[in-house]
Amino acid sequence: DIVMTQSPDSLAVSLGERATINCKSSQSVFYSSNNKNYLAWYQQKPGQPPKLLLYWASTRESGVPDRFSGSGSGTDFTLTISSLQAEDVAVYYCQQYYNTPWDFGGGTKVEIK
Amino acid sequence: QVQLVQSGAEVKKPGASVKVSCKASGYTFTGYYMHWVRQAPGQGLEWMGWINPNSGGANYAQKFQGRVTMTRDTSTSTAYMELRRLSSDDTAVYYCARSDTGTDYWGQGTLVTVSS
Repeated sequence: DIVMTQSPDSLAVSLGERATINCKSSQSVFYSSNNKNYLAWYQQKPGQPPKLLLYWASTRESGVPDRFSGSGSGTDFTLTISSLQAEDVAVYYCQQYYNTPWDFGGGTKVEIK
Repeated sequence: QVQLVQSGAEVKKPGASVKVSCKASGYTFTGYYMHWVRQAPGQGLEWMGWINPNSGGANYAQKFQGRVTMTRDTSTSTAYMELRRLSSDDTAVYYCARSDTGTDYWGQGTLVTVSS
């Protein structure tokens, strides 16, 4: 199984500042035949199901603000919120869909400082 | 628009079984795999498995092998997840989620409480 490890567990960022979340997979999720990283990012607010933010590690889902961006390849990935807004307070998860089980990282809680 | 509507909350006794439904609309049900993910209170997301609604084939996380069955009814565009031999550790919100690149649409969640 591919183990997904996120860091930090939580972070507090001032409004308008940058938030950076890291995700590391225990093996590569890069598929060379199509040059894609099988890595997704989700946002979950209290009492709601997760919402897909990014797929292929860096492609924003329709309707997701461009302050959310993803980077990385292979085993190391980053989700960046360029200018934190109040509505971005949530828990963020990475997930690999390279092979089953499609496991998630442990989550990173983002709060306002 | 794509919608996944799940069945209502359940309360079960230890040792019992639960079957959660997920009715899909707004897209071709057989065209996308359906995943099940659960979340214990205050905890993270746990992937349970998927079903291919077209073939009925399923793939389960090893942790749930032998205890979970995922099925579908193509005539009603509904996916089901049955979990047997429940214990208090199975108390969680259970979600269905459609997969494309990642899981792009999620049901609202079904709270299953296991308590004696």
